Amino acid sequence: GIQVEQSPPDLILQEGANSTLRCNFSDSVNNLQWFHQNPWGQLINLFYIPSGTKQNGRLSATTVATERYSLLYISSSQTTDSGVYFCAGSTGANSKLTFGKGITLSVRP
Amino acid sequence: DADVTQTPRNRITKTGKRIMLECSQTKGHDRMYWYRQDPGLGLRLIYYSFDVKDINKGEISDGYSVSRQAQAKFSLSLESAIPNQTALYFCATSDFGGQPQHFGDGTRLSIL
Repeated sequence: GIQVEQSPPDLILQEGANSTLRCNFSDSVNNLQWFHQNPWGQLINLFYIPSGTKQNGRLSATTVATERYSLLYISSSQTTDSGVYFCAGSTGANSKLTFGKGITLSVRP
Repeated sequence: DADVTQTPRNRITKTGKRIMLECSQTKGHDRMYWYRQDPGLGLRLIYYSFDVKDINKGEISDGYSVSRQAQAKFSLSLESAIPNQTALYFCATSDFGGQPQHFGDGTRLSIL
């Protein structure tokens, strides 16, 4: 199966700062998703983005499928952005996602 | 996501007990999944089902079994629980291939 690497593993920001989270894949994926796990453990789907760029409020994501990576941008970070960010992808016709180990983000007030 | 409901939310039990975790969804999705999350390891797929008659093993199916009782219900069983099955378990759903997966709030399972 594919390998998913996320970087950096941990990130500490001051409220209001911007950040970029990276996800690299060992093979081409046709299904790429970003998730946020809040401090209460809930997993929220942020983006389904196999290619191109999408934006949702202060968050945006870009996937360059040919180079096998995706970036999640957080602008004007808030304390509520804290938690763990996962990327996940799958190949072929199935939707079996392989997850990275996550990036732990702490936003300080 | 309130559309995907997992029960129970928390469970503490003893080694050797049989445990069933339940998942129900109101999203009308055909595909359902069970994942396990361990600290520092991300999520790993246990079983997945593309419809009621299609059930498949995931990355870590040993020690687990599933039942897809209806389109909306997908249960995970631990026939004889062991301590290294202590983890956070998630159910997820999606529409046909390539669509976003939506997760329940998780079941925190502790096996003593």
